[in-house]
Parts: sequence; structure tokens; C-alpha cells
Amino acid sequence: DADVTQTPRNRITKTGKRIMLECSQTKGHDRMYWYRQDPGLGLQLIYYSFDVKDINKGEISDGYSVSRQAQAKFSLSLESAIPNQTALYFCATSPGTGTGANVLTFGAGSRLTVL
Amino acid sequence: KNQVEQSPQSLIILERKNCTLQCNYTVSPFSNLRWYKQDTGRGPVSLTIMTFSENTKSNGRYTATLDADTKQSSLHITASQLSDSASYICVVSVSGTYKYIFGTGTRLKVLA
Repeated sequence: DADVTQTPRNRITKTGKRIMLECSQTKGHDRMYWYRQDPGLGLQLIYYSFDVKDINKGEISDGYSVSRQAQAKFSLSLESAIPNQTALYFCATSPGTGTGANVLTFGAGSRLTVL
Repeated sequence: KNQVEQSPQSLIILERKNCTLQCNYTVSPFSNLRWYKQDTGRGPVSLTIMTFSENTKSNGRYTATLDADTKQSSLHITASQLSDSASYICVVSVSGTYKYIFGTGTRLKVLA
């Protein structure tokens, strides 16, 4: 099994629909992140969480919300999807401390298309 | 503004040839720089990390260099293989923060 698992891998939806992308990890890392990747742009941070009770907005949080259900689970929601949220979404984790403290481990990505 | 710029945007080379990818950054305060490989349809995977005091680091056929004075890094791939076809992303960490600044990547295609 992958260290960081994202579901669904692909999703097509319509404008106005609510969408949830889920992420689970077996790395035991405290820190989890949601990034968005668009063609021609670097990954942009949507939200990050350093532990279950700590959730913070990233650079592009408008239109998104998150939930950290457990240390291993971090979900991203689009309350009312719009076409410009069509993108590839990545969940990532990092240890935060010790050797390799800021090495990011990424999931395989969730490709979302909003029609 | 913290930025990471990569060049070229895309590159096509023949199998067994060498190539060098470039990364220029304006990130302060600098913590470290990593190169990631992203295969199509997959998430990025870390290849190597460079800290402020390191000039060169190798990982198999991949060799990364860092010039902290000019704020430039390069990733050299030796004797390329078809499996090297991927995007290579340069990522700089901002010291004392959670922030990672991502480059837009170089898309490498290796032809037989």
C-alpha cells in the first residue's frame, strides 16, 4: 500500500456540487498538506495542518475547506465547485522534526474536473 | 517575493545522453533546496536535498549542485534512461516556516 493514499484519483463533477477529496497516510507524520497543481504553475498550498487540532490556511484557501479527522486523515472539501477549480490536487505529509524533517511525501494525486 | 524559476521548460534528449536542468531562486531566508521527480500521473518524489553548506550531492545517476552565492542549483542526469522521462521540480524551503516554494518544473523526455 502507498504511504499516502488519495481518493478518488479522478472525479468529474458539475458546477455547484460539493466535492470531498480524501487523504490517508501510514507514515505516522504529524504534518499534512493539500496542494493544487495547475499547468505551467508551481504547486500552490491550499491548507496545512501540523496536528489534529491545528489547521491553517495556505496561499489559495478561498473556496476550500479541510477537516483533520485523525493524525492519519486529512480531507479537502469544495463546498460549491466552480470550473476554475479544475486541477490536480495533491496531499502531502512531512515529519516536521528529526532527520528529513521537511521532506514531503506526496500522494498520487486527485484529478478534478468541474464542468 | 519568494520565487523559484526553472529552465528549460521542456527538454528532449536521446537515451544514454547527459543533460542538465537549472533552478534559480530568490528565497529568503533559505533553508534547503530539493529536487523532486514527478512521473506522469504520480506525485513528486524527492531525489536529493541541498543545504546551504553543500555544493554537490549525488544520488545514483543524478547529481545536484548548489551555488548559494548566485542562488542557483542544477540537476545533472548522466547516461539518461527511458525511465528518466518525467517532470523535475525544484523546491526551496523557507527557513523557520512551513513554506515550500515550488518551481514550475522541467519536463524531460528521453527517446530511444
